[in-house]
Parts: sequence; C-alpha cells; structure tokens
Amino acid sequence: AQSVAQPEDQVNVAEGNPLTVKCTYSVSGNPYLFWYVQYPNRGLQFLLKYITGDNLVKGSYGFEAEFNKSQTSFHLKKPSALVSDSALYFCAGYYYGGSQGNLIFGKGTKLSVKP
Amino acid sequence: GAGVSQSPRYKVAKRGQDVALRCDPISGHVSLFWYQQALGQGPEFLTYFQNEAQLDKSGLPSDRFFAERPEGSVSTLKIQRTQQEDSAVYLCASSLVEGGNSPLHFGNGTRLTVT
Repeated sequence: AQSVAQPEDQVNVAEGNPLTVKCTYSVSGNPYLFWYVQYPNRGLQFLLKYITGDNLVKGSYGFEAEFNKSQTSFHLKKPSALVSDSALYFCAGYYYGGSQGNLIFGKGTKLSVKP
Repeated sequence: GAGVSQSPRYKVAKRGQDVALRCDPISGHVSLFWYQQALGQGPEFLTYFQNEAQLDKSGLPSDRFFAERPEGSVSTLKIQRTQQEDSAVYLCASSLVEGGNSPLHFGNGTRLTVT
C-alpha cells in the first residue's frame, strides 16, 4: 500500500542547532515527495519537492531534504534552526500512476525551537 | 486573488443540518482539491477537479458528501445531514497544472464543528 510515515510526533531543538524531521515512504514505483509547513490556524505552505535528479533538494526558508532510495526516506533538514521555524511539518507523496490527484500526507511532526 | 480563499472560516452546525463550504482558488488554476484534516492528523484526500470535471471522488467518506465546480473556478463542498464525525478542518487547494504532482496552494481552511 502507498503510504507516508512520520515516526516522530514532536521534535525539539534549540535555536541555532541543526534540525531533522524524518519521513519514510512505502516502496511503490517512483514517488514524487513533498514537504509542507502549517502554522496555527493556517493552511499548508509548500516548502520543497523531489521528483527526480539530485537527491539533495533545496527549498524555502533555508530548508533542504535528502532523498534516499535505499532507505526509502526523505528527511527534512536545516543547518541552523530559528524560533520562527516552530510549526507543524507534513511530508507527502504523490505516486505516479496512482489515483489521480491523490497526494498522501503523513500525520505531521510538530517542530518546537526554543531560544 | 492573491491566494486560495475559503469561507466560512468557522462553521458550527447541529447534527442533521446541511452545510456548504466555499473555495475560491487562485485565478487560472486548473486543479482543485478538497482535503479533510482531523485534529492531530494529516490532511486526507476527498476529491479532485480538473477545471469543471470531477476526476476523482474516491476520498469522499459517504454519499452525504458532494462537491461541485460548475464553471471551473469556485468550488463548493456540501455535507448533508451532518454527523459528529464530520467535525474537522476542510482544506481546499489549487494548482496551476493538472494532477497532484506539482506544489499545491492551500487555503486557510474551514473548521466545521458538529454539535
């Protein structure tokens, strides 16, 4: 079955430290993978996507993500966290050839960055 | 408009009432999606429109849910005879191109509470 998993409900980091938010996907073809961020009472905002090519993808606000096919992972990273990065982060996968329009989201990881 | 607009922002309905949720996508966007986000969960796909055509409604949880986009722009999600389990945030998203493999622009959602 096609699925996206975010194994951590919450990640806590100190401001200035590197952060990683984990995501894994089930193996079923070649997925397109995305990261979105959601601030309180707001819709989701696109951060970055992987379709093909370079395994390291750079996105908005200094975030990047590394696609690892052997580990079926697509972890979100940032070298130096800011307090303003505190939000809910969603990994999502779109499976080419799957149900058209069906972007599958993980359950989300709450990132808390403390000063 | 500048972004995807959803109305109302909040809706309280008594069990058994019908509700209608409106989505104004970004002008010119071909694709429109509806998602349901329960508390503490990631968005779950409901339905997808390409212009006025509803190409995928596999995520609609029951025949009480109905969506339309008659002129290929504004969309309405209608829920008949609301039940408590319908309480959630309903997100609308649009995209310039066909399909779900490009970044989606989300509205801020409509929070539906069924009492």
